[in-house]
Amino acid sequence: DSGVTQTPKHLITATGQRVTLRCSPRSGDLSVYWYQQSLDQGLQFLIQYYNGEERAKGNILERFSAQQFPDLHSELNLSSLELGDSALYFCASSVEGVSDTQYFGPGTRLTVL
Amino acid sequence: AQKITQTQPGMFVQEKEAVTLDCTYDTSDPSYGLFWYKQPSSGEMIFLIYQGSYDQQNATEGRYSLNFQKARKSANLVISASQLGDSAMYFCAMREVTESGTYKYIFGTGTRLKVLA
Repeated sequence: DSGVTQTPKHLITATGQRVTLRCSPRSGDLSVYWYQQSLDQGLQFLIQYYNGEERAKGNILERFSAQQFPDLHSELNLSSLELGDSALYFCASSVEGVSDTQYFGPGTRLTVL
Repeated sequence: AQKITQTQPGMFVQEKEAVTLDCTYDTSDPSYGLFWYKQPSSGEMIFLIYQGSYDQQNATEGRYSLNFQKARKSANLVISASQLGDSAMYFCAMREVTESGTYKYIFGTGTRLKVLA
């Protein structure tokens, strides 16, 4: 158990819908990262937040957005969902976000039908 | 062009033997970081080891070591004394600085390792 929690574990929804994935980092970790893992795209870094502010941005679509709240939990919002958005979404956390170890949550499996 | 290349889609190793998983990278950023992660069949991602571009020594963490050859732009993972529990997918990743000064993380396609009893 990494100490990072993600909810829900599984999510099934329809095209065009909007969903919110939630992540709670390990106690004391200020950085939160979001990743998408799909069969055709592999593991893709989406975005990083550090202490509430965006620190790094990867291949995150405009239909996706994220934020980190004052209590350091983070949410990833996915809207206008398409079949290709079906993937495993990981959240990770670290203390500083530079060279520190990233601890991954168990992931949220999103299926878009 | 691929920024992180893992040329071995699958590898087998006999239990207790050492195995090297290859990773080459491409970046013009002088300050970058290299990571290895393990993903067992259960799906979770486990951080294994980190190497900074300015680190003089090769990183080691228990049975894991990173063979960092900067001039060749390679960052191979060496697992010594393989165990059955090492069977998993292994990902090499790089952190580099973007033009805007933020970080970006790029992952390779992974190598599936199977340890044989």
